[in-house]
Amino acid sequence: SAVISQKPSRDICQRGTSLTIQCQVDSQVTMMFWYRQQPGQSLTLIATANQGSEATYESGFVIDKFPISRPNLTFSTLTVSNMSPEDSSIYLCSVWDGLNTFGSGTRLTVV
Amino acid sequence: QKEVEQNSGPLSVPEGAIASLNCTYSDRGSQSFFWYRQYSGKSPELIMSIYSNGDKEDGRFTAQLNKASQYVSLLIRDSQPSDSATYLCAVMVTAGGTSYGKLTFGQGTILTVHP
Repeated sequence: SAVISQKPSRDICQRGTSLTIQCQVDSQVTMMFWYRQQPGQSLTLIATANQGSEATYESGFVIDKFPISRPNLTFSTLTVSNMSPEDSSIYLCSVWDGLNTFGSGTRLTVV
Repeated sequence: QKEVEQNSGPLSVPEGAIASLNCTYSDRGSQSFFWYRQYSGKSPELIMSIYSNGDKEDGRFTAQLNKASQYVSLLIRDSQPSDSATYLCAVMVTAGGTSYGKLTFGQGTILTVHP
């Protein structure tokens, strides 16, 4: 299965600022996703990162808040914009190569 | 109604016992079913996948699927303290092939195996 490197692993940010999370995969993958796990909650799909086109967002998530880039088949970024304490979560990158593999996650705390 | 619902926890079993985790789903178009294990502070780790009705066994783990009842379960035999974690049921609708990799998760069940 694919090996995913995600960074940063954690960060503490001031409200109103933005954070960009990077996801690097060791092989080319077609399907790449971003999930959020709020404290004590399960995972929720934010969007599908499409290579060469705009990301596809799930209900409740918008591009202005969570812009996503996918410049090639091995790399994607998720930006959490204009952060508030409610954005404090773990953000996980995932790829599909027959099964879903998850990155190690980014634990974000907004103060 | 939640799309994927797991039996409420937390679940506590003694070492060596069978732990039974249950999950129901609402979308009849669901085709693929997964159980993930998540240790505290770690990312989810896939432990079982099942696609057809019936049982699938892998070591101490058995997944059971009943599409008519929209029900999937995970049995852990000879439970060990190292099995203590949150278990997440996930469902994928793959109609038309456009949804590969898009998982809907249940809320998770916390399992504690005590010595």
